[in-house]
Amino acid sequence: GAGVSQTPSNKVTEKGKYVELRCDPISGHTALYWYRQSLGQGPEFLIYFQGTGAADDSGLPNDRFFAVRPEGSVSTLKIQRTERGDSAVYLCASSSGRGVGETQYFGPGTRLLVL
Amino acid sequence: AQTVTQSQPEMSVQEAETVTLSCTYDTSENNYYLFWYKQPPSRQMILVIRQEAYKQQNATENRFSVNFQKAAKSFSLKISDSQLGDTAMYFCAFSKEGGSEKLVFGKGTKLTVNP
Repeated sequence: GAGVSQTPSNKVTEKGKYVELRCDPISGHTALYWYRQSLGQGPEFLIYFQGTGAADDSGLPNDRFFAVRPEGSVSTLKIQRTERGDSAVYLCASSSGRGVGETQYFGPGTRLLVL
Repeated sequence: AQTVTQSQPEMSVQEAETVTLSCTYDTSENNYYLFWYKQPPSRQMILVIRQEAYKQQNATENRFSVNFQKAAKSFSLKISDSQLGDTAMYFCAFSKEGGSEKLVFGKGTKLTVNP
């Protein structure tokens, strides 16, 4: 596609519910990143995929957060038993994965609000 | 661990004037990359400029240029001939070479360009 897309744009859920956030990277990009941006802060790294595998998940805050990328393209970030503190904008980015220091191209984000 | 500090939460500039946004970082790495991203109210992070640490020459992109001082670990962004469309949050980011190359962001500077 022309750019990174994320769905939904906004998600409102209740505390304790399960949510899935989707990211569709730029076609052909093998590297995919998830970041979380809380209000008034810069984005914070959550997880990195190279192809289908999660090569670095050191940013996931706890085991309620999980992400998959089964076919090496679309990725889904899954949050179980949501808490009010999970409210944030979740950003996805992709890069070609073929070099070093490559530019990451970001999607518009999903704003999650947990009531 | 790497850290990025942006000491100016907010700045303003008159249209057509020049403004400089500050960024300092802390790392023990020798090879790394530095970025400035722009985030307008639409939430989409857009790359403004990129600098490779091993290159001494400062990067420039049209009206945007950086002053990279490796010894001082400083990476400031200069915007010349400011335009109303430059109004946005600006984030400085760092990635080390190799591994996931995840981005570490500062807290951002909110820039307002006044007519």
